Amino acid sequence: DVKVTQSSRYLVKRTGEKVFLECVQDMDHENMFWYRQDPGLGLRLIYFSYDVKMKEKGDIPEGYSVSREKKERFSLILESASTNQTSMYLCASSLLMSSGNTIYFGEGSWLTVV
Amino acid sequence: RKEVEQDPGPFNVPEGATVAFNCTYSNSASQSFFWYRQDCRKEPKLLMSVYSSGNEDGRFTAQLNRASQYISLLIRDSKLSDSATYLCVSFTGGGNKLTFGTGTQLKVEL
Repeated sequence: DVKVTQSSRYLVKRTGEKVFLECVQDMDHENMFWYRQDPGLGLRLIYFSYDVKMKEKGDIPEGYSVSREKKERFSLILESASTNQTSMYLCASSLLMSSGNTIYFGEGSWLTVV
Repeated sequence: RKEVEQDPGPFNVPEGATVAFNCTYSNSASQSFFWYRQDCRKEPKLLMSVYSSGNEDGRFTAQLNRASQYISLLIRDSKLSDSATYLCVSFTGGGNKLTFGTGTQLKVEL
């Protein structure tokens, strides 16, 4: 079974803090994604990566950055957390998207910024 | 207009009922579609893929109507365990992009 692991499940951070969300997948997938999910807004893509050291902005990249130094690991960084970044963050991975391959999600990281 | 639109529900149905959800999409370049199931406070999980006209898997049937740009999900003989939010997803190859609907909530009751 594909396993996408988000190490931090529940976090409470203060405004202005730097936040790291880590994600690891064990299926040698090329693509990795970070989404956030908010009530009434659905899943919104923050960043994605199709290869090591490669990254592409999604629909809402402002206030976030990412790092992919190894194929299996994709990190989301909030340089200076703000209260409007309180959300559930979902990491996902997939094979190449040539035909829309299945995307597998981690269990989610619930971030509260106070 | 949202690229993928779903009725948020909730759809409250008795156990054993047949229920159908529709999802409309605005991008005619969308190549394939998916239905994901998401339980409360859990991650989405793939339910079905829809590449051509439709797909059937047990009690679940997904259909695609490209002319009218909608996808439907039919659930027959609903079970209590079917209670969840169902997300419609479109894939557009040109932009290598997945677009998620906001989901339709289903509650199956005794």
